[in-house]
Amino acid sequence: GAGVSQTPSNKVTEKGKYVELRCDPISGHTALYWYRQSLGQGPEFLIYFQGTGAADDSGLPNDRFFAVRPEGSVSTLKIQRTERGDSAVYLCASSPRLDNEQFFGPGTRLTVL
Amino acid sequence: SQQGEEDPQALSIQEGENATMNCSYKTSINNLQWYRQNSGRGLVHLILIRSNEREKHSGRLRVTLDTSKKSSSLLITASRAADTASYFCATATKTSYDKVIFGPGTSLSVIP
Repeated sequence: GAGVSQTPSNKVTEKGKYVELRCDPISGHTALYWYRQSLGQGPEFLIYFQGTGAADDSGLPNDRFFAVRPEGSVSTLKIQRTERGDSAVYLCASSPRLDNEQFFGPGTRLTVL
Repeated sequence: SQQGEEDPQALSIQEGENATMNCSYKTSINNLQWYRQNSGRGLVHLILIRSNEREKHSGRLRVTLDTSKKSSSLLITASRAADTASYFCATATKTSYDKVIFGPGTSLSVIP
């Protein structure tokens, strides 16, 4: 079956612009995670969804970041008023349930000029 | 502060040798996972070990967990050039086990 997919694979934007990053999890996976990874570092937890609800958004760095998963499948990470420090690879992962291995997508590389 | 940290930061070995990476963490865990990331590619799950387990195997991989020392190790036996990658440990704590925290990783180079 298909794995986790993320679109776009690359996004270049200007400082101050709004961006949306999309994640399509593996069908049937109820748990969905967003991470951010900078060069040479491990993934940094942003937010976790169980079904449609954000069960833990404690990793979102500030209120410019927001994520939704309205139907319990596809999720969108939204970043307002982008800053150069937001440049990173944004990773999405899904899991059949909490407390299980996670299946990662290829990531979206965001570059803020 | 980091929940988990891998050691060493970088490791270079000859093909055929064994590679050992360690992970130390601070807070009591529900489970600990190891992931591999090849250059420019996504993360791949290797092994999940729960807090009540001490050792798990998967092919050439062996993971141990010592909860009294708050540490885990990943052993790769008979390494191959294709094992060249970054390896991360990730922990889910007992109080917040939905929030999986990754360490900074160990960069492994296997020289043919």
